[in-house]
Amino acid sequence: GESVGLHLPTLSVQEGDNSIINCAYSNSASDYFIWYKQESGKGPQFIIDIRSNMDKRQGQRVTVLLNKTVKHLSLQIAATQPGDSAVYFCAARSMEYGNKLVFGAGTILRVKS
Amino acid sequence: GAGVSQSPSNKVTEKGKDVELRCDPISGHTALYWYRQSLGQGLEFLIYFQGNSAPDKSGLPSDRFSAERTGGSVSTLTIQRTQQEDSAVYLCASSFAPGTTDTQYFGPGTRLTVL
Repeated sequence: GESVGLHLPTLSVQEGDNSIINCAYSNSASDYFIWYKQESGKGPQFIIDIRSNMDKRQGQRVTVLLNKTVKHLSLQIAATQPGDSAVYFCAARSMEYGNKLVFGAGTILRVKS
Repeated sequence: GAGVSQSPSNKVTEKGKDVELRCDPISGHTALYWYRQSLGQGLEFLIYFQGNSAPDKSGLPSDRFSAERTGGSVSTLTIQRTQQEDSAVYLCASSFAPGTTDTQYFGPGTRLTVL
């Protein structure tokens, strides 16, 4: 079956530094990946997505990298700010499992001022 | 409103009672999803509606759980004879056109506590 997991459950970074959050997925047929940010008491908020025909996509201060060879996904946050403190989830979709997204367990990002 | 809304935001109930959770998706979104999130855990898929197609119920944990979507818009998740292990945050999401970008936009969730 599909599983998506994260390497580090908690990441602490200094304000202004770059953050890298990693994610592994198991299904090589996964064709679409999303990163979500979830702040305390709120629903997950879309950050950035990437299709399997790409290996990099950039947004505002965020970059997602996809390595299909090792089935690894990462989220890079540049110049991390206190407002970036949250739980970050990766999710993957494969048509084998319909349109459901399979979510990882989440990584807590703590930004130290 | 512009986003997905859910009600109630919090629900406390006694074991054995039935509860109904409501989701209003973003207008124009054809797909609607329900997830469950236990404390400190990731999101567990429950059920998915797409247009007039039969819903994908493969994630429902037991027959005490059911959901319906009326008129292709509002959805209600019903949990019958609630158990303490049902305590979690129930999240609803909607997307415009699954099979393309499938970006799911989430509501704030309903925190269910079963005493």
